[in-house]
Amino acid sequence: DAGVTQSPTHLIKTRGQHVTLRCSPISGHKSVSWYQQVLGQGPQFIFQYYEKEERGRGNFPDRFSARQFPNYSSELNVNALLLGDSALYLCASSWGSYNEQFFGPGTRLTVL
Amino acid sequence: KNQVEQSPQSLIILEGKNCTLQCNYTVSPFSNLRWYKQDTGRGPVSLTIMTFSENTKSNGRYTATLDADTKQSSLHITASQLSDSASYICVVSESSYKLIFGSGTRLLVRP
Repeated sequence: DAGVTQSPTHLIKTRGQHVTLRCSPISGHKSVSWYQQVLGQGPQFIFQYYEKEERGRGNFPDRFSARQFPNYSSELNVNALLLGDSALYLCASSWGSYNEQFFGPGTRLTVL
Repeated sequence: KNQVEQSPQSLIILEGKNCTLQCNYTVSPFSNLRWYKQDTGRGPVSLTIMTFSENTKSNGRYTATLDADTKQSSLHITASQLSDSASYICVVSESSYKLIFGSGTRLLVRP
């Protein structure tokens, strides 16, 4: 069974640009959560989606948005990138909102 | 404010030795507590999950304890191996979908 997959692995952008990160959950999982992990810190919760609906949102500005598709894959979009958005972006999937989350390898975003 | 604090921030031990990592939390309401292992630049991998009623849980050489009264948890690693070098993150779940992560303890196991 394939685990959670994320693409791209690495990404370099400049300030003001827009970025889209993608996540495919484990087969059968209906919930996807997104986290931002700045170097040296623990992950911070951004969004959770379940059955294509937003279930929760962390303390992130409106520049951050996400969606979940009918096949349960998900995209995280970040507009007007800032230097401080440089981080490892983690996606986690679970069967339901309250079940154990399995993490993907992450996308390393660098904003110059 | 819901917080998870871990100590020490970093730790160096010799291969074969044991070590204990600490986690204190102020998260309320409390659903469960998890310990994750995260290799550099990779996603976290779950080691243990404990609910309110569980005091201890083991996964091979990893043993986690939970004292829900004092809101403390520990992760004990026995007979450490070089592959144990990683960050160990304590995560507390509110009674919802939201996970509160600690900043982690960076463990380095030396030969």
